Amino acid sequence: DQQVKQNSPSLSVQEGRISILNCDYTNSMFDYFLWYKKYPAEGPTFLISISSIKDKNEDGRFTVFLNKSAKHLSLHIVPSQPGDSAVYFCAASGNTGNQFYFGTGTSLTVIP
Amino acid sequence: NAGVTQTPKFRILKIGQSMTLQCTQDMNHNYMYWYRQDPGMGLKLIYYSVGAGITDKGEVPNGYNVSRSTTEDFPLRLELAAPSQTSVYFCASSPGTSNQPQHFGDGTRLSIL
Repeated sequence: DQQVKQNSPSLSVQEGRISILNCDYTNSMFDYFLWYKKYPAEGPTFLISISSIKDKNEDGRFTVFLNKSAKHLSLHIVPSQPGDSAVYFCAASGNTGNQFYFGTGTSLTVIP
Repeated sequence: NAGVTQTPKFRILKIGQSMTLQCTQDMNHNYMYWYRQDPGMGLKLIYYSVGAGITDKGEVPNGYNVSRSTTEDFPLRLELAAPSQTSVYFCASSPGTSNQPQHFGDGTRLSIL
């Protein structure tokens, strides 16, 4: 039972344009959400997070939006750069913080 | 700044063999985790530990064992390797305080033939 879902396996965007990656979750007890970036043959690296008390968190070119009523979060990358080409995973955890649930990932390709 | 180190990076096993995947972290993190990632799938939690001497099952623990005798090390043991355990295994750690991200190793790619 997939509690965190990324319904788009892949996304292609032109360099300089906005990339929008989406993620949906089913468990209303989740209160902490993260995005990770993964290059081939490497482990995931933390990118940005948001807690459920916020609806937006921004870090440079990366912004995460959280819509709790829709159980939906999105990652915006502006402007997109070729180095952003990677697989992006969203993840969520509940108030115990012991377990993180991951989506299946979206492969982003930024075309120069 | 090593972070989370996993060994080996690659391994091929025969069905029925056993092996231990090693994981060590130098960040003094309390929490450690083992995940597996199958092709086209997300990371599934196998086992986790909230401190030395304490371990607990995740989503997919069958066929695996863990131990946590020190803060730094969290080995994952496969006793009787099966083809269904062919996967990429990631170890991670986190401080354990609320709302803190995990730090991942680079993974072990395991094939069982």
